[in-house]
Formats: sequence, C-alpha cells, structure tokens
Amino acid sequence: DIQLTQSPSTLSASVGDRVTITCRASQSVSAWLAWYQQKPGKAPQLLIYKASSLESGVPSRFSGSGSGTEFTLTISSLQPDDFATYYCQQYSGYLYTFGQGTRLEIK
Amino acid sequence: QVQLVQSGAEVKKPGDSVRVSCKTSGYNFASYGIAWVRQAPGQGLEWMGWISVYNGNTNYAQKLQGRVTMTRDSSTSTVYMELRSLRSDDTAMYYCARDGFSSGWYAYWGQGTLVAVSS
Repeated sequence: DIQLTQSPSTLSASVGDRVTITCRASQSVSAWLAWYQQKPGKAPQLLIYKASSLESGVPSRFSGSGSGTEFTLTISSLQPDDFATYYCQQYSGYLYTFGQGTRLEIK
Repeated sequence: QVQLVQSGAEVKKPGDSVRVSCKTSGYNFASYGIAWVRQAPGQGLEWMGWISVYNGNTNYAQKLQGRVTMTRDSSTSTVYMELRSLRSDDTAMYYCARDGFSSGWYAYWGQGTLVAVSS
C-alpha cells in the first residue's frame, strides 16, 4: 500500500495566519490526491481534489499544490471555523489510503 | 440533492458479524462507486474498500481482506458493508462515501454508523 505521512501532526496558529500542511507519499501518486477537513462528531468534508482543484463551495483561502510524492494544503488567512483536523488521501491505483491527520489548534 | 443515509448504531460481541447499510438518493445510482471509511475513537481515517455499483467489482484494503464484503442492491439504491469475526479494535464509526465520477475522491458522505464491539 502507498503510505501517506502528514506533517506536522499538530499545528498551533492564530486567526489571520497563513498555514501550510504537508503530505508525503511513499511512492508517486501523480496528482491523485485529495484533502479533507473534519470537525469533531462530523463526517469529513472534501476541500481539494486532484491535488489543486477546489471543491465547489469551499472558500478560496484554501489551496492545494504538488504532484508525485509531495503535496501541500495552504490556508491563506485562518478563520475561526478552520480549526479542525485535516487529512490527505491518495487515490492512485486500486487501494487508497489516508494520511494520519493534522490537528490545527488555536494558539 | 445527493443523500447517503446509513443504518443505526450496532453493539456486537467479539466473533460476531455486522452489516451496515448505506441508502443513496438524489443521483444516478449506477454511475458512482461507494467507498467505506472507518474511524476508531480518537484516531484517523482508514479506507476500507470500494464497490463499483455498476458491476459489483470490489477492492478491499489488504488488512481487511477475507473479513469484509461489500455488496449493492440496485433495486433499492443501497450498498452494504459486512465485517465478520469482529474484534475489539473494530470498534469505530463507519462511513460510506460516494466517489467522484471515475475518480477516487469523496464529496458526499453518510452520517456514520457506530459499531461497538465488546464482550
């Protein structure tokens, strides 16, 4: 299976900050990578697909980049609603995997 | 609107089996696959597998091979996930999710079904 490693595991930031989360794959997944936001007690919400495509209805402060084995999710200016856990997911081949998650906390 | 509605919470004993349903509506059932994702308490997301609603083909995560079966009923637009030989570490919230058209991202999710395994 392709392993995904997110960093950092926990990130403390303030409203208005620009933050970046990294996702590294154990082998190339081309651009077949998605990002999700999850809040406690809720199902995940799709933010980004195909590495950099913004899902409809998702605020433009979220952006994704990368290809191959290294990807980033950037939030340009943190809002109070953004404090949550973020996951990357690869969908290359037939067996998919998620990263272990990055918890974004209020500093 | 697209909806995925899952069956209710289950409490099982070790060694039991559980079947969780995911009833879909609001789109052409045959056009999109359904994946199952679980999340143990306080832990991350784990991809369990996927079923092509069109032809019934399945892909399962290697660690669950032999214990999990995903099926669909086109007459009711419902997908099922059965997990056998339950263990305590199968205790989790189980989600179904609809994939993108011919792609493996998940824009639509069920509300989740809690499966608790305890003696």
